[in-house]
Amino acid sequence: QQQVKQSPQSLIVQKGGIPIINCAYENTAFDYFPWYQQFPGKGPALLIAIRPDVSEKKEGRFTISFNKSAKQFSLHIMDSQPGDSATYFCAASSRAGRFGAGTRLTVKP
Amino acid sequence: DGGITQSPKYLFRKEGQNVTLSCEQNLNHDAMYWYRQDPGQGLRLIYYSQIVNDFQKGDIAEGYSVSREKKESFPLTVTSAQKNPTAFYLCASSIDGSWSSGANVLTFGAGSRLTVL
Repeated sequence: QQQVKQSPQSLIVQKGGIPIINCAYENTAFDYFPWYQQFPGKGPALLIAIRPDVSEKKEGRFTISFNKSAKQFSLHIMDSQPGDSATYFCAASSRAGRFGAGTRLTVKP
Repeated sequence: DGGITQSPKYLFRKEGQNVTLSCEQNLNHDAMYWYRQDPGQGLRLIYYSQIVNDFQKGDIAEGYSVSREKKESFPLTVTSAQKNPTAFYLCASSIDGSWSSGANVLTFGAGSRLTVL
């Protein structure tokens, strides 16, 4: 069973749009929530991460929103570009991390 | 350059054969991990090791085995007991076994694609 539930499975937006990817978890022991970005044929790479003691973290065009009471967090990509087209994974961890199922994002020019 | 090297990149196996996937890191990381990636299922944890000579089962360890005799190496053996081994396998490492430090980023290798014929 997936310990971290991620949606949607795929997402298509126009250039400049704001795709939002959502994740939910059950295990309250999780205390670190990273997002990874993966391009075809490559391993995932860390994009941005948040701890549960803050509600939002922004790095460049990428923002994580975190709702501890709802056990949900989401990734927003501002002013999306075709180069952002990739698969995005949310994860949660206290020890070894558990990943969501991934969202394949396509940004059309 | 520091990083993780996985080999082979592509591997074909006949049913009933065991195969071993190599993972080597020169990052001086204590912790290493194996994940399996299938379409629509994301990354699922097979095994992880926080220190040399110690490893823990992940969520889908059945049909797999690992060893951690050296800090820099964490090979994964896919045994004939694994019923559906065709997948993309990713090895990763981190500074230590706890992600909570905030500085503990997972570094991934480029992956190995195993196909059972």
